[in-house]
Amino acid sequence: KNQVEQSPQSLIILEGKNCTLQCNYTVSPFSNLRWYKQDTGRGPVSLTIMTFSENTKSNGRYTATLDADTKQSSLHITASQLSDSASYICVVRAAGGSYIPTFGRGTSLIVHP
Amino acid sequence: NAGVTQTPKFQVLKTGQSMTLQCAQDMNHEYMSWYRQDPGMGLRLIHYSVGAGITDQGEVPNGYNVSRSTTEDFPLRLLSAAPSQTSVYFCASSAGTTGSPLHFGNGTRLTVT
Repeated sequence: KNQVEQSPQSLIILEGKNCTLQCNYTVSPFSNLRWYKQDTGRGPVSLTIMTFSENTKSNGRYTATLDADTKQSSLHITASQLSDSASYICVVRAAGGSYIPTFGRGTSLIVHP
Repeated sequence: NAGVTQTPKFQVLKTGQSMTLQCAQDMNHEYMSWYRQDPGMGLRLIHYSVGAGITDQGEVPNGYNVSRSTTEDFPLRLLSAAPSQTSVYFCASSAGTTGSPLHFGNGTRLTVT
């Protein structure tokens, strides 16, 4: 069964500090992996997509990595801001035309001033 | 563009009542889906549609019905509400490729007493 596991479940950091969120998956065959940010009371919004051939991709202060061999991805947030407080969800899609992605349960990040 | 619009934002039902959660998108997306989000469980797929006139069950379909008569609209019907259906419901749409992101509405918070 395709699964996506995220760690840690929750994380509290001080404003200005860096942090790294982890995502491990068993989805096969692999097509792509997306990180979504979900602010409280809102729907998730896509931050970045990683495909098989990509190792690292940055979107402002967010940097995602992918190791397709070990089936692991990380999301690194640099110089955190209060607005980074949110849930971060890892979503993996299989190749082969399926429309159904596999969701992780998310990491809840709280940034304190 | 409005994107994905969900109504209502909040709803309280008594056990046994029925209701319809509305979802509309203005991006001409083929794929639409309904998720429920419960604490610690992440997003779980209820029903999805790959085009007008085509619907299929997701992971947790029991107690819910859907129809897709137009590309734009994908309503979710609760036939006889139960307390176990207390949750936050999200509608999402995407274009018809595995590389396309999901665009989420801002959710409907449903309480069944």
